[in-house]
Amino acid sequence: DVKVTQSSRYLVKRTGEKVFLECVQDMDHENMFWYRQDPGLGLRLIYFSYDVKMKEKGDIPEGYSVSREKKERFSLILESASTNQTSMYLCASSFSAGGLQPEAFFGQGTRLTVV
Amino acid sequence: GEDVEQSLFLSVREGDSSVINCTYTDSSSTYLYWYKQEPGAGLQLLTYIFSNMDMKQDQRLTVLLNKKDKHLSLRIADTQTGDSAIYFCAESIGTGGFKTIFGAGTRLFVKA
Repeated sequence: DVKVTQSSRYLVKRTGEKVFLECVQDMDHENMFWYRQDPGLGLRLIYFSYDVKMKEKGDIPEGYSVSREKKERFSLILESASTNQTSMYLCASSFSAGGLQPEAFFGQGTRLTVV
Repeated sequence: GEDVEQSLFLSVREGDSSVINCTYTDSSSTYLYWYKQEPGAGLQLLTYIFSNMDMKQDQRLTVLLNKKDKHLSLRIADTQTGDSAIYFCAESIGTGGFKTIFGAGTRLFVKA
C-alpha cells in the first residue's frame, strides 16, 4: 500500500514561530503536494514539487516555503506563523505516468493551530 | 477562472440512494475525481472518470458526467451509516497532472 505520512497529527505553535511540517512517501513518487483545507473552501494548493529540489507555487503560496532535498520527503515551512495560518494541512503524492493524470495519495493531515 | 462547486450538506436515510452533485467551469479537464474524507483522516480516492466517458459504475457507486453542462454526480446506492463522510469533487486540468481543483466538499449525513 502507498503510504504518505505526515509527521504530526496536531500541532500548536505561537505567532511568529518558524514551523516545519514534514511529509514522507514510500512509493518513489515524483510529485508531491501541500494543500490546506478550510471549511467551505475545499482544498487549496500551496506548493508542489515534481522532482528533487524542484518546486512550484500553487494558488496560495504567500507566507509559506517548501523544501525537497530527497525524493521521498517534502517539507512545508511557515517562516513566521500567523493566526490566519491555523488550518488543516494535507500532503499528497502521485507518480508521473506519461501525461496521464493518476490519483493522488493523501496523508492523514496535520491540524495546525497558531495562537 | 477555474472553479468547482458543490453543495455543502446532504442528509439521507440509511438504505436510500444518495446523489452528490458537482459543477465545474474548466472545459479542459482530463480527469474528474470523487474523494472521501472520514473524520480525522486524509482524503481517499473513491472513484474517478476520464473526461471522455459519460458514466462509470463501481459496485454501489455510479458516476455520471455531463460534459456539455459541466456537471458531475456521484450516486451511492443503499447508503449506509459508514458512508457518512465529506465527499470532495475535483477536476484535473491539462496533461501535466499538476493542476487539480477541489470543491469545498459535501458533508453526507446518513440517518439510521
